[in-house]
Amino acid sequence: AQTVTQSQPEMSVQEAETVTLSCTYDTSESNYYLFWYKQPPSRQMILVIRQEAYKQQNATENRFSVNFQKAAKSFSLKISDSQLGDTAMYFCAFMRLGNQFYFGTGTSLTVIP
Amino acid sequence: EPEVTQTPSHQVTQMGQEVILRCVPISNHLYFYWYRQILGQKVEFLVSFYNNEISEKSEIFDDQFSVERPDGSNFTLKIRSTKLEDSAMYFCASRPKTGDGYEQYFGPGTRLTVT
Repeated sequence: AQTVTQSQPEMSVQEAETVTLSCTYDTSESNYYLFWYKQPPSRQMILVIRQEAYKQQNATENRFSVNFQKAAKSFSLKISDSQLGDTAMYFCAFMRLGNQFYFGTGTSLTVIP
Repeated sequence: EPEVTQTPSHQVTQMGQEVILRCVPISNHLYFYWYRQILGQKVEFLVSFYNNEISEKSEIFDDQFSVERPDGSNFTLKIRSTKLEDSAMYFCASRPKTGDGYEQYFGPGTRLTVT
């Protein structure tokens, strides 16, 4: 079975600073996708960024980037120039091709003005 | 931009009652999912649905649960006889058949409270 671990239940960062959220996973699959979803207080989950396991290049989306270490099964999210709107719960998720998502327990991020 | 919608936003029911949670996936999507999130815990997979049948389900999805796509637009989750431990946020998700890197699009959720 796939497991996803987020070891930081809560984090905070000053506005405009950079923060890194960690995620590790366990799988025997060689081809899969990894995702970071954001769940603001309104509770609808929104995709932040995704990474295909067969791609060595780390994904980036504006202020969001990942550090994907396939051998270490690590998938951290870096948020640069943090904004107040980044305050949310962040979930790391693993997916075998076309199948269900396995979520971590989440990291609650607070951006401090 | 198209969104997944869910109704109701909050449902309160008594233990032993049947509830139906409704979802309208994005119109050109072909895969549909239900997840639940008990307060303070991780989001857990319940079931996936494709081509009018269940394609995968978890241990949580026992005989008390069923899903249906009755009219080509709605996707429902029925809990036949609710238990206190069914209290959770239930999320519907959908995705297209190909492309988009398998991203699943989530609805805003239905908070189910069983008393």
